[in-house]
Amino acid sequence: GAVVSQHPSRVICKSGTSVKIECRSLDFQATTMFWYRQFPKKSLMLMATSNEGSKATYEQGVEKDKFLINHASLTLSTLTVTSAHPEDSSFYICSARGQGFGYTFGSGTRLTVV
Amino acid sequence: DQQVKQNSPSLSVQEGRISILNCDYTNSMFDYFLWYKKYPAEGPTFLISISSIKDKNEDGRFTVFLNKSAKHLSLHIVPSQPGDSAVYFCAASVGGGSNYKLTFGKGTLLTVNP
Repeated sequence: GAVVSQHPSRVICKSGTSVKIECRSLDFQATTMFWYRQFPKKSLMLMATSNEGSKATYEQGVEKDKFLINHASLTLSTLTVTSAHPEDSSFYICSARGQGFGYTFGSGTRLTVV
Repeated sequence: DQQVKQNSPSLSVQEGRISILNCDYTNSMFDYFLWYKKYPAEGPTFLISISSIKDKNEDGRFTVFLNKSAKHLSLHIVPSQPGDSAVYFCAASVGGGSNYKLTFGKGTLLTVNP
């Protein structure tokens, strides 16, 4: 089956620094990748949608300069949280779709900003 | 505006009994519905889906029922097993193109007691 690998699984960073999260489709080409954020006891909130080779489409209220998304290849998308603040602490999850493959989620990244 | 609602934050059932998880939606344009299972600190895993042209889909112990007129769907798990204990998310989308977005409910925590 389709596998999406997400790294790191957890990261602690200092306020003001940037953190990069990687999402890789291991056995299929991900034409579209999605980035979600989940707060405790809340649903998964879509942050942005990215297609390989083009700019990401951000959902309303998501700062594109703060959450940089790069989808440079059909197997890799990255989310960089720039100048992180404690309120950015959350669980970030990617998912990928490809031809013949439905939504497959990564295992998530727990970001803690101190 | 919560377009996908899971009004029960938690559900507890006895092993061997049926678990029924409910989901309501408000957007009449939704035509594809999915259920995901999520363990703590992991990404969601796909369980079962249903298209709006059907009212029932079954896969092993899991059955999803769709009532379009009531904008309601439910996931039945029978018999329930302790390993089914997890958060279950209902999700919905419009269309099935490569960029279709999922809208998630807040999830229901299912606990299956031995």
